[in-house]
Amino acid sequence: AQSVSQHNHHVILSEAASLELGCNYSYGGTVNLFWYVQYPGQHLQLLLKYFSGDPLVKGIKGFEAEFIKSKFSFNLRKPSVQWSDTAEYFCAVKGTGGTSYGKLTFGQGTILTVHP
Amino acid sequence: DTAVSQTPKYLVTQMGNDKSIKCEQNLGHDTMYWYKQDSKKFLKIMFSYNNKELIINETVPNRFSPKSPDKAHLNLHINSLELGDSAVYFCASSQFAGGTYEQYFGPGTRLTVT
Repeated sequence: AQSVSQHNHHVILSEAASLELGCNYSYGGTVNLFWYVQYPGQHLQLLLKYFSGDPLVKGIKGFEAEFIKSKFSFNLRKPSVQWSDTAEYFCAVKGTGGTSYGKLTFGQGTILTVHP
Repeated sequence: DTAVSQTPKYLVTQMGNDKSIKCEQNLGHDTMYWYKQDSKKFLKIMFSYNNKELIINETVPNRFSPKSPDKAHLNLHINSLELGDSAVYFCASSQFAGGTYEQYFGPGTRLTVT
């Protein structure tokens, strides 16, 4: 079975600070990895995804994530956060075979609060 | 245009009642999902349908029954509601279940059972 762990429950930053949110997964095979964001009062939106190729993927709003296969990690980064980045961030993994096919498993979520 | 819509947005009901939540997607996707987000914001998949066929059925009480009349709709019916059913329920859709296809989420239905 696949699982996802996000290290930080709540991260508080000031504007212009750099951001890194940790995400580790466990799955025995090939995975597809995603970061979703949920702004206050809104639905989940895709930030970025990785499925193959360059392990550094770029998403919307200046976010990027790096897939490190040896560490089973897919950390989310942004060089300089803005107040509007205040939201909850979810890492997710989708298995590619067997009973995990098509099944998106989410981490617990990390709340990011950015102070102006 | 709303890609994935859910009704109602809020649902307050008493224990023991039966209620339904409706979901519709206008993206032409083949696969639809139901997720439950509990009070700790933990999102967990409940069901998935691919072109009206059930493909994912997690360990969910059989009081929950999904119904897909066509591939654009996936409704969730809950019988004999319990306090623990209080949560936000999200519907989602994707082009196909596997691969790199992202899931598009609806706005959620906040269910409160009193």
